[in-house]
Amino acid sequence: GQNIDQPTEMTATEGAIVQINCTYQTSGFNGLFWYQQHAGEAPTFLSYNVLDGLEEKGRFSSFLSRSKGYSYLLLKELQMKDSASYLCVFSGGYNKLIFGAGTRLAVHP
Amino acid sequence: GAVVSQHPSWVICKSGTSVKIECRSLDFQATTMFWYRQFPKQSLMLMATSNEGSKATYEQGVEKDKFLINHASLTLSTLTVTSAHPEDSSFYICSARSLAGQGEQYFGPGTRLTVT
Repeated sequence: GQNIDQPTEMTATEGAIVQINCTYQTSGFNGLFWYQQHAGEAPTFLSYNVLDGLEEKGRFSSFLSRSKGYSYLLLKELQMKDSASYLCVFSGGYNKLIFGAGTRLAVHP
Repeated sequence: GAVVSQHPSWVICKSGTSVKIECRSLDFQATTMFWYRQFPKQSLMLMATSNEGSKATYEQGVEKDKFLINHASLTLSTLTVTSAHPEDSSFYICSARSLAGQGEQYFGPGTRLTVT
């Protein structure tokens, strides 16, 4: 079967660093995405990992370990506007995206 | 680049009527578009995969006769919710997969449907 686990909620302080973990089980794997979704809006693409290792993109970094079925999204220098849901998403067969339930991050001053 | 639009942004309709939602890729061609539904505080659920020039592929449990999908061109897909009922009220989001890049999907802004 296919399953994605990530924490439901997290809180952090402005300027700090936060790591959002994601574990997954899948029968087919074509890559793992992280998306950001603000309330009432559509998701926006943040990062993509298909090989093991760290991908850095400005304040955001994403890590993947395929053997462990594990990924994390690292957000640095947190800003208030980073308060949103962060979706761990993997690409299974036929280019379908399988979404996790998302982690709601609240950034406080 | 990679902008996807949806129209309308929100719609209120009476039970039993039909509603059409348009999804357009504005600056790229998309042979494949996807339709999702999202209920409050839940994850996006894939409803169907829309392929240009062919019939859509529906996920298990999604009624193809109720949710009609047409993908007539490389930049336009439409979802028609037929004989809408209050339980169809939801946030409908389309996405388009770019032929370039890493296969990521770009999402439209969503359409909030309320059936009274």
